[in-house]
Amino acid sequence: AQTVTQSQPEMSVQEAETVTLSCTYDTSENNYYLFWYKQPPSRQMILVIRQEAYKQQNATENRFSVNFQKAAKSFSLKISDSQLGDTAMYFCALFTSGTYKYIFGTGTRLKVLA
Amino acid sequence: GAGVSQSPSNKVTEKGKDVELRCDPISGHTALYWYRQSLGQGLEFLIYFQGNSAPDKSGLPSDRFSAERTGGSVSTLTIQRTQQEDSAVYLCASSKSSGGVNEQFFGPGTRLTVL
Repeated sequence: AQTVTQSQPEMSVQEAETVTLSCTYDTSENNYYLFWYKQPPSRQMILVIRQEAYKQQNATENRFSVNFQKAAKSFSLKISDSQLGDTAMYFCALFTSGTYKYIFGTGTRLKVLA
Repeated sequence: GAGVSQSPSNKVTEKGKDVELRCDPISGHTALYWYRQSLGQGLEFLIYFQGNSAPDKSGLPSDRFSAERTGGSVSTLTIQRTQQEDSAVYLCASSKSSGGVNEQFFGPGTRLTVL
């Protein structure tokens, strides 16, 4: 069975600081993708960053980067220079090509403080 | 339209009634997904369509839930004889095709409240 675990229900960070959100996952498949999604209070889910499991290089999108540790099945999200607009729920998700299903974690509520 | 749209945005119903939730995907997107988001929970994968076909319906919580997609476009999620535990936000997403390489675009969701 595929699982995604986010062990930090809530986090806060000062504006302009750096924060890391944790995610661990479990799958027996070799072909999979990992995602971080952001859900602001408006409820609209937005893709933040994506990582293909076969790529060793960590994905980066502007202020967002991941630390993908395949052997440890860990996929953390680092947000640099945090901005007030980063305040949202962040979900880690796993897609496996064998099942064609997305499995989401329970989310981390991030609050950026002015 | 520019994005995925869902209707209604909010639905309040009485226990035992049937409800229909609608999703309009981005034009040209062949894959469509339904999720349920309960308070304090992550997203629960319900079903996905590739075209009009739903290869795997095992994510639907019970036989009271059904979904269809016609013309490779609009999809409807129907919940029969609603129960209070069905109260949640139902999210729809679409992508160019199924598969993790394709980005999912989410709609704003339908908040369902069963009294």
